[in-house]
Amino acid sequence: DGGITQSPKYLFRKEGQNVTLSCEQNLNHDAMYWYRQDPGQGLRLIYYSQIVNDFQKGDIAEGYSVSREKKESFPLTVTSAQKNPTAFYLCASSTRTGNTEAFFGQGTRLTVV
Amino acid sequence: AQSVTQLDSQVPVFEEAPVELRCNYSSSVSVYLFWYVQYPNQGLQLLLKYLSGSTLVKGINGFEAEFNKSQTSFHLRKPSVHISDTAEYFCALRAKGGYQKVTFGTGTKLQVIP
Repeated sequence: DGGITQSPKYLFRKEGQNVTLSCEQNLNHDAMYWYRQDPGQGLRLIYYSQIVNDFQKGDIAEGYSVSREKKESFPLTVTSAQKNPTAFYLCASSTRTGNTEAFFGQGTRLTVV
Repeated sequence: AQSVTQLDSQVPVFEEAPVELRCNYSSSVSVYLFWYVQYPNQGLQLLLKYLSGSTLVKGINGFEAEFNKSQTSFHLRKPSVHISDTAEYFCALRAKGGYQKVTFGTGTKLQVIP
């Protein structure tokens, strides 16, 4: 079955460590997205990529980095520069044109202690 | 630029009562509109979408939404809610033409009271 896989589902890290969240899709979608979700703040866009080897900053990119070396993969690194990294992170993908919805992974809950 | 406004952050409703979750949008170009549902600690699932044609769109789980271009609204409705409808609901849009990212509202938490 086609879909988006995020791993791991739960992740714990010590403060000051970088951590990478995985996102893989087999939907043959060109576009991929990373969102951060905090209680009461909806979905905030971190980074998005419309095509391999290209990506753009979203609304809250500071302290995060991404790469898009393969169409299927869009990993997100939460760096030590991110002041408050504890959150629920969602990855999504879609076609590049607008008449289709975005498909979401099941999310990764990151807790920094 | 586009934006989506969900005016109600929380909506409590008794079981078997009707519910309407409001969504208004702003865009200088035509848009596609979507409603998603999110259960706790899960990703978002598509409920329904408006692409073109009939302004009344039916989705899964008995939900429907009506596109109103003059009021720039896309409200979600269900005539009789169940406990299992307790979740957070997100309205979203994508602009037509070119390569456009998805823009989401801040979400509405629906709490169904037994």
